[in-house]
Amino acid sequence: GAVVSQHPSWVICKSGTSVKIECRSLDFQATTMFWYRQFPKQSLMLMATSNEGSKATYEQGVEKDKFLINHASLTLSTLTVTSAHPEDSSFYICSARDGGLAGGPSYNEQFFGPGTRLTVL
Amino acid sequence: AQSVTQLGSHVSVSEGALVLLRCNYSSSVPPYLFWYVQYPNQGLQLLLKYTTGATLVKGINGFEAEFKKSETSFHLTKPSAHMSDAAEYFCAVSDYTGTASKLTFGTGTRLQVTL
Repeated sequence: GAVVSQHPSWVICKSGTSVKIECRSLDFQATTMFWYRQFPKQSLMLMATSNEGSKATYEQGVEKDKFLINHASLTLSTLTVTSAHPEDSSFYICSARDGGLAGGPSYNEQFFGPGTRLTVL
Repeated sequence: AQSVTQLGSHVSVSEGALVLLRCNYSSSVPPYLFWYVQYPNQGLQLLLKYTTGATLVKGINGFEAEFKKSETSFHLTKPSAHMSDAAEYFCAVSDYTGTASKLTFGTGTRLQVTL
């Protein structure tokens, strides 16, 4: 249980194009999903918090018009990198918070996807 | 505000030796603490977590960690390292104040296991 998938696992695109990354919770309801960015050999930096049915909350310094987040259902959130540039190349990881049965063993725990490697040429 | 400090960006141990990865935290509220492991080009896998109750927490793959409030520490240990333990390890803290509670990660420690 508690599996989070990401698609695609890797993507290469040309500068100026847009790329969409999907994050899905496969066996639980995720009222909240988080998007992280990880540069090589560095830690995860939270980009934004996405709540189902509402606008995402972006961390300071993250351009919301560049990194569009949509969380239209309890199992799917998408991150679109618009007009991508080489400096956007990174490893993007999502996590989903189990918002299911209160008191359950995984309630409120974040489960991480396998990540998406984005390379912008 | 919360923060996590992981001492030692790189730790090398021999196979069979004790593993000790250090984590100190700062939090204005009682913290929830986590250790995650990341293998190359993969996401994070939860090793163990401390929320409330027993301060010695046992996790997967033989790892355990002890929450010491007086030392604001949550060090990760394993009695005997295995080659498969070689990976990046992240300590994280959360305040769990609500539905938007966030994880704050340390900078990570790369564990190398040698023969």
